[in-house]
Amino acid sequence: EADIYQTPRYLVIGTGKKITLECSQTMGHDKMYWYQQDPGMELHLIHYSYGVNSTEKGDLSSESTVSRIRTEHFPLTLESARPSHTSQYLCASSEWAHQYFGPGTRLTVT
Amino acid sequence: QKEVEQNSGPLSVPEGAIASLNCTYSDRVSQSFFWYRQYSGKSPELIMSIYSNGDKEDGRFTAQLNKASQYVSLLIRDSQPSDSATYLCAVNIKAELTGKLIFGQGTTLQVKP
Repeated sequence: EADIYQTPRYLVIGTGKKITLECSQTMGHDKMYWYQQDPGMELHLIHYSYGVNSTEKGDLSSESTVSRIRTEHFPLTLESARPSHTSQYLCASSEWAHQYFGPGTRLTVT
Repeated sequence: QKEVEQNSGPLSVPEGAIASLNCTYSDRVSQSFFWYRQYSGKSPELIMSIYSNGDKEDGRFTAQLNKASQYVSLLIRDSQPSDSATYLCAVNIKAELTGKLIFGQGTTLQVKP
């Protein structure tokens, strides 16, 4: 059973607010990932990390930023939320290529 | 051409039938292949992984890999209504050490009672 957690699970917020989506894993995985997925659509990688202090942008351009100060923690921040950021955000971690996904955060920006 | 391609479906099969889901990929050096199941509104969960040519069986699921044809498939025997979900094919392309996966768009499977 994967031990990867995301909070909040649901968030409704107004335009212009700063938000941080939390992701934590207890498996000691070095690699962590953030994906964005709209309903019925593909998964798009927006950020990934190979380890502490290592982050890179993914294949889909995103206005969000990430940090990796601790192995178990990989938060995603939006400095100024916009309606176009409305989506589901999925966090995953892996030791190698088998990725374990968290439950996701469904973000709605009004 | 997308790096990983799947037919989006929906693929509709009667209960008890075999469901066959297909995926093609473009990078010949790909080494690792995964099938994830995603129920509506939920996150993906891994159901099969395969690394070498041939078949790999796990319960009602069989993954098939043909690297020469750049093709990977998933067979679900004795399909149940609870198998109704979107099935994502994922391929570890390019640098193995990154662990990055490229996902297909997914095939929606509907199993009718």
